[in-house]
Amino acid sequence: KAGVTQTPRYLIKTRGQQVTLSCSPISGHRSVSWYQQTPGQGLQFLFEYFSETQRNKGNFPGRFSGRQFSNSRSEMNVSTLELGDSALYLCASSLLGAGADTQYFGPGTRLTVL
Amino acid sequence: AQSVSQHNHHVILSEAASLELGCNYSYGGTVNLFWYVQYPGQHLQLLLKYFSGDPLVKGIKGFEAEFIKSKFSFNLRKPSVQWSDTAEYFCAVNALGAAGNKLTFGGGTRVLVKP
Repeated sequence: KAGVTQTPRYLIKTRGQQVTLSCSPISGHRSVSWYQQTPGQGLQFLFEYFSETQRNKGNFPGRFSGRQFSNSRSEMNVSTLELGDSALYLCASSLLGAGADTQYFGPGTRLTVL
Repeated sequence: AQSVSQHNHHVILSEAASLELGCNYSYGGTVNLFWYVQYPGQHLQLLLKYFSGDPLVKGIKGFEAEFIKSKFSFNLRKPSVQWSDTAEYFCAVNALGAAGNKLTFGGGTRVLVKP
């Protein structure tokens, strides 16, 4: 099976712009989660989608949003970019999204905000 | 809010040495525990996980971890490391049970194995 794929792999944006990142989960997986990884804050949970519904949300401002489509593919959007949004954004998918499920991570999208 | 702490930020050791990485979490309820590894230039991948049963769990590449509920700990061990174990290791907790996926990660431990 193909793994989790994320596009694009690299992005450079300027402050104030918005950005959309895409994630294709492993075939058959219904849960998609997003994480932000930075040197200072480490890995932080953004949100989880399951069956096109946001099921869980982390402590990020409303500028961070996402959605999931009927084929389980997911997008996340960051509006009004700030310098501090520079990070590696990771997507993870799991079969059912239950607590003991293994989450499989993609390679990430590295976002640089100038 | 739950939190996860990893005791060491950096560990340097020689091949064939034993490795133990500490992980403690703060949450009083039922948890699922994970160790993930990130090799240089690669994705995060699962080493092992605990969700119930035998508190000593075995994972890939000779790693094992022991869940000690009374100590809120889930320490990772490997008896004899290889140069290829050079990586960053993350402990993570999911306290949501059937309510979904929300991993809380520790800060990570960078392990450098000298040949």
